[in-house]
Amino acid sequence: GAVVSQHPSWVICKSGTSVKIECRSLDFQATTMFWYRQFPKQSLMLMATSNEGSKATYEQGVEKDKFLINHASLTLSTLTVTSAHPEDSSFYICSASVFGRGGKNEQFFGPGTRLTVL
Amino acid sequence: AQKVTQAQTEISVVEKEDVTLDCVYETRDTTYYLFWYKQPPSGELVFLIRRNSFDEQNEISGRYSWNFQKSTSSFNFTITASQVVDSAVYFCALSEDEETSGSRLTFGEGTQLTVNP
Repeated sequence: GAVVSQHPSWVICKSGTSVKIECRSLDFQATTMFWYRQFPKQSLMLMATSNEGSKATYEQGVEKDKFLINHASLTLSTLTVTSAHPEDSSFYICSASVFGRGGKNEQFFGPGTRLTVL
Repeated sequence: AQKVTQAQTEISVVEKEDVTLDCVYETRDTTYYLFWYKQPPSGELVFLIRRNSFDEQNEISGRYSWNFQKSTSSFNFTITASQVVDSAVYFCALSEDEETSGSRLTFGEGTQLTVNP
C-alpha cells in the first residue's frame, strides 16, 4: 500500500513550452502533497506544499506563477512548469501524506519525473 | 529553522566493509522526526527508517543500524558487511511535528556511497 505514481516519468520539451506533471496517490487519499526539485548531484529542495482544495504554499524563492500547482482532488496533484527554460531542467519528485497513514509525518514519494528543456 | 548536515559527500568502500554515514541536525522543536532515505541511480527514494525525537533507542534491521543521540543531535546510519547493491545516495531528513497530515521535510545534502567489489 501507500503507492504514489508520477506521470510522465521523463519529458523533453522545447524552451518556452509548458509541461504538466501529474502526481497520484493510488491506494489512499492524500490530504497533503509536496513537490520537490532535485538538480544533479544535489539534495531535494521543497518547492511547495499543497492541500486539497486550497492554494499551494510556495517556499521562498519559488515562483508561483511559473510553477503552477493544482491539488484538485484527494488523489491528484499537478505541477505545471510554464514557459520552461533550460534552467528548469531537473528531477521533480512529489510526495503525499495523510494523517494516520504510515505513521505521523511520513511522506510517500513518487518515482520522480525527469524534465529536460532544450 | 531546521537544518540537516551530512558532512560526507562521498564514501567509497570495498564490499564486506562496514560503513557509517553521519547525520547532524538542528531544530528548535522538542518534537521532531528523523528519516533516512536511499536513492539508487533510478532516482526513486526508498524509505529506510523514521524515528521520533522521544525514541532514542538504537535500531537494527538486518545489515542496517541507526544510532540516535539527542545529546549530540546526531542520527548516524551504519551498514554492516556492505554489498555492491548498497551503492546509492543516502539522505538524512528532518521534519517538525504537526497536528496536520504532513509537514515539510528538510533534507541533508546526501552522501554518495560506492561499494566496490
